[in-house]
Amino acid sequence: NAGVTQTPKFRVLKTGQSMTLLCAQDMNHEYMYWYRQDPGMGLRLIHYSVGEGTTAKGEVPDGYNVSRLKKQNFLLGLESAAPSQTSVYFCASRPLSSYNSPLHFGNGTRLTVT
Amino acid sequence: QQQVKQSPQSLIVQKGGISIINCAYENTAFDYFPWYQQFPGKGPALLIAIRPDVSEKKEGRFTISFNKSAKQFSLHIMDSQPGDSATYFCAASRTGYGQNFVFGPGTRLSVLP
Repeated sequence: NAGVTQTPKFRVLKTGQSMTLLCAQDMNHEYMYWYRQDPGMGLRLIHYSVGEGTTAKGEVPDGYNVSRLKKQNFLLGLESAAPSQTSVYFCASRPLSSYNSPLHFGNGTRLTVT
Repeated sequence: QQQVKQSPQSLIVQKGGISIINCAYENTAFDYFPWYQQFPGKGPALLIAIRPDVSEKKEGRFTISFNKSAKQFSLHIMDSQPGDSATYFCAASRTGYGQNFVFGPGTRLSVLP
């Protein structure tokens, strides 16, 4: 049982390049989330999904797109990377069953945009 | 109204001491208040959580105190250990579609041996 797995762990992009971050969970969770973590700002929600084929915007969605074609996978895309997107990105999932079920986080992807 | 404020930003405590981290929120619709612990290079992990119908919850050395009228809650770590050195995030959420969590900015705790 791997939990939440994020790939890649590290990535360096040049301004304007594109990339996709992959999140996979093996816990059959309905909800999945993408957060970014910046110093002094905590975790801010980018996009989330309440089920396969559904996505919704979070607090800071601009410059990002997401897709959830399979229940276990949640992809985060950057179409044209900007230095402001330098951050650590965390994927999380949780089950639908209980309102107080905790978020399960992956170990993050550290992205640097030069 | 969606913000969760957290203080202090950093905290240094001697081994065996008490660590206290405070959080405050504005949205009275929040009904779930978890604390997450994060070690370097890892994702946050749930430490302890509380609902607003209780004023205190204790799990081992970790206690959450909740003051509904003041819209404040705090984490107390008793007998702090060097292994507790980590970043701590408070969070809040409300029951509903997606149940999105709002996180505080984090507190970096260092426990000196």
